[in-house]
Amino acid sequence: DAKTTQPPSMDCAEGRAANLPCNHSTISGNEYVYWYRQIHSQGPQYIIHGLKNNETNEMASLIITEDRKSSTLILPHATLRDTAVYYCIVRASPGGTSYGKLTFGQGTILTVHP
Amino acid sequence: NAGVTQTPKFQVLKTGQSMTLQCAQDMNHEYMSWYRQDPGMGLRLIHYSVGAGITDQGEVPNGYNVSRSTTEDFPLRLLSAAPSQTSVYFCASRTLNTGELFFGEGSRLTVL
Repeated sequence: DAKTTQPPSMDCAEGRAANLPCNHSTISGNEYVYWYRQIHSQGPQYIIHGLKNNETNEMASLIITEDRKSSTLILPHATLRDTAVYYCIVRASPGGTSYGKLTFGQGTILTVHP
Repeated sequence: NAGVTQTPKFQVLKTGQSMTLQCAQDMNHEYMSWYRQDPGMGLRLIHYSVGAGITDQGEVPNGYNVSRSTTEDFPLRLLSAAPSQTSVYFCASRTLNTGELFFGEGSRLTVL
């Protein structure tokens, strides 16, 4: 699976958009970008994923660049409860011999301030 | 739906003792896995399974055994605990066709 690079920490004001970047310059054509977050010692929680197109759900938006070498997770109106570690993961498509293992890096610590 | 259930939530062991961390899921997921998380670090994959009777090693398998006799259960065994195995352990499951992992609440293990 392709390696990802994320900033170790970011701050955001409550009510503002939080934009979390992720670099995955060695991504292959069949690899998906996944985002998870982990709120203080809890199990990680799935947020969103995408292959090529931008994606949006009730939690966040995912913007993937045209060359797919980087992406940005957007939390449109951050709240204090969004303070967490955010993990960007690149995963092989389903059906591969690796069964699409997910490798978690150290992620970005997002702190949302009042 | 209970989702992924891990027991125990907390455990203290002495060096050399053995124990089993239990993991059960009720979502009929084929894929189950165990991760460990050390302070200030991301999660590292220990072992995983893609179905009953099939298991494979992850990044850090040494010191741990697993088996998968049913779809629902995926226990993690420590045969001879060492202080280096002090960590928080997470079990997770998903279907084979997606990357959406469902995690348990974690089991905090301390080895003295």
